[in-house]
Amino acid sequence: AQKITQTQPGMFVQEKEAVTLDCTYDTSDPSYGLFWYKQPSSGEMIFLIYQGSYDQQNATEGRYSLNFQKARKSANLVISASQLGDSAMYFCAMREVPSSGSARQLTFGSGTQLTVLP
Amino acid sequence: DSGVTQTPKHLITATGQRVTLRCSPRSGDLSVYWYQQSLDQGLQFLIQYYNGEERAKGNILERFSAQQFPDLHSELNLSSLELGDSALYFCASSPGRTNTEAFFGQGTRLTVV
Repeated sequence: AQKITQTQPGMFVQEKEAVTLDCTYDTSDPSYGLFWYKQPSSGEMIFLIYQGSYDQQNATEGRYSLNFQKARKSANLVISASQLGDSAMYFCAMREVPSSGSARQLTFGSGTQLTVLP
Repeated sequence: DSGVTQTPKHLITATGQRVTLRCSPRSGDLSVYWYQQSLDQGLQFLIQYYNGEERAKGNILERFSAQQFPDLHSELNLSSLELGDSALYFCASSPGRTNTEAFFGQGTRLTVV
């Protein structure tokens, strides 16, 4: 079963507007982390933001915020004031932390290609 | 700069050959993860090492192997290469004791011809 689902293969947003990229996840572990990465056309994977399952507040990093709705198992990325340089592929990922042992590997969604229009 | 270094950045080789990809994790990070990114398969987890020991295995082919050395750098060995092995190979590292960080290297783009 898919653990991370990104339902938007492609999104368009006007420059300076805000955009929300959707991500839903599935886990039975009470402890887990949610990550968002940006992959521009050059290929590197850039870490954007992290949200822990026990964090009470939504994570924010500059123009990025994570809209964490635990009951719905969703972790949407919100980018405010979009810039042309935000055009890239965006990946949502989850890492489960079992009660015994170390954190597991990151499991990725299929990604959303964001295009910012001038 | 993520602090994770991968070499080489690009590699072109022929079918049947063997290559070694190298990864130096961020200073202090004990966990190293290898991922393969291809157009049809997306980002696939291959293998994880923690402080020199194999910790988890994903969709890693038997032709592929990896190790983590005492200085914590890691190598991914790909042998009997096939055209379908052409992909972007990423290494990521994290401290291992915390769950909040995972930084990726710039990747090695492997092309098998």
